[in-house]
Amino acid sequence: DIQMTQSPSTLSASVGDRVTITCRASQSISSWLAWYQQKPGKAPKLLIYKASSLESGVPSRFSGSGSGTEFTLTISSLQPDDSATFYCQQYNIYSYTFGQGTKLEIK
Amino acid sequence: QVTLRESGPALVKPTQTLTLTCTFSGFSLSTSGMCVSWIRQPPGKALEWLARIDWDDDKYYSTSLKTRLTISKDTSKNQVVLTMTNMDPVDTATYYCARIRSGSPIDYWGQGTLVTVSS
Repeated sequence: DIQMTQSPSTLSASVGDRVTITCRASQSISSWLAWYQQKPGKAPKLLIYKASSLESGVPSRFSGSGSGTEFTLTISSLQPDDSATFYCQQYNIYSYTFGQGTKLEIK
Repeated sequence: QVTLRESGPALVKPTQTLTLTCTFSGFSLSTSGMCVSWIRQPPGKALEWLARIDWDDDKYYSTSLKTRLTISKDTSKNQVVLTMTNMDPVDTATYYCARIRSGSPIDYWGQGTLVTVSS
């Protein structure tokens, strides 16, 4: 099975900061990577698909990059509403694997 | 619009079989490329993908849980059913169903249903 490892596990940043979360796959997944945002008590929300494509309606301060085994999610200017847990997920025809999550706190 | 809703018991006893139903609207599982998955999340922990069923009845399971899982669909009722055998307290989690279009990530999620395993 493909394993997904996110770093850091927790992150504290201030409004306006640039924030980067990293996700590493145990083997190449090409660009089959998505990023989700989850707030407490809610289902996850798709932010980025195919590593760098922004889902419709998602603010442009969110961006994704990478391919193969290394990926990043960047928030260009952190907003108060961005406090949440973020998950990466690899998806291919046979299986889906999530990272362990990155909890983002606003200072 | 696309909606999904999970239903099933809130409490099951250890060793029992869990049966969850996902009732959806806004798309058809008889349409080429449409899929439904189940995902779970233990309290305070990460998401875990469980299973997927496709429009053509292909089925895929988590490697670690495949001996305990069965996924099926009733296209006429717009429902997908997941059964998990031999439930254990570590299976306590919120269980989500979700829509996938083949080759894409999850785009719509249900609200989730909390299942507690306890005697």
